[in-house]
Amino acid sequence: NAGVMQNPRHLVRRRGQEARLRCSPMKGHSHVYWYRQLPEEGLKFMVYLQKENIIDESGMPKERFSAEFPKEGPSILRIQQVVRGDSAAYFCASSSGTGVNSPLHFGNGTRLTVT
Amino acid sequence: AQTVTQSQPEMSVQEAETVTLSCTYDTSESNYYLFWYKQPPSRQMILVIRQEAYKQQNATENRFSVNFQKAAKSFSLKISDSQLGDTAMYFCAFIKNRDDKIIFGKGTRLHILP
Repeated sequence: NAGVMQNPRHLVRRRGQEARLRCSPMKGHSHVYWYRQLPEEGLKFMVYLQKENIIDESGMPKERFSAEFPKEGPSILRIQQVVRGDSAAYFCASSSGTGVNSPLHFGNGTRLTVT
Repeated sequence: AQTVTQSQPEMSVQEAETVTLSCTYDTSESNYYLFWYKQPPSRQMILVIRQEAYKQQNATENRFSVNFQKAAKSFSLKISDSQLGDTAMYFCAFIKNRDDKIIFGKGTRLHILP
């Protein structure tokens, strides 16, 4: 029973390039969350998606960032025209529902480095 | 808005000792849940323990226990008989009942020394 799978584990991009981060939730989970962790900081909520729908994107920067969770395939967090400040660890979590009776399961994160 | 504060950026203790990590939070909600997550160098986020605000009894999980003081909005984590494998970042976290977003503190880096 595989956990939440994120890839790549490490991603290096030059300024101005695009970064695509992938997240496959646990089997049976239809809720996906993306969090960002800056160095020496806690995780900050970015976006919450259910299959094909964005439910809450209140933590997502208004420009350059987008997320999707298609009917088939993994959830994708896309960062266009990356800048050095985007360097961080990006974590995906999934759950079978909402609320605390459906605990989050985290992936191991993707560390994005922008050079 | 809810906030979670961890006032100890870093701590070190000898193996087998007991250590307490502090966490305070701010909320106007009456129903909520609190968590401690462990993040070892592998970066994996591991749920250590959770506490429902409506329960007066402090949660325990083996060597891990919490001291939940609702009136003081305090939620400390006690690790007994600490082990080298406990070395990690520890994050205190909060979620409103029925809400989707977990709010994390900035973390405490814990070193267990041999």
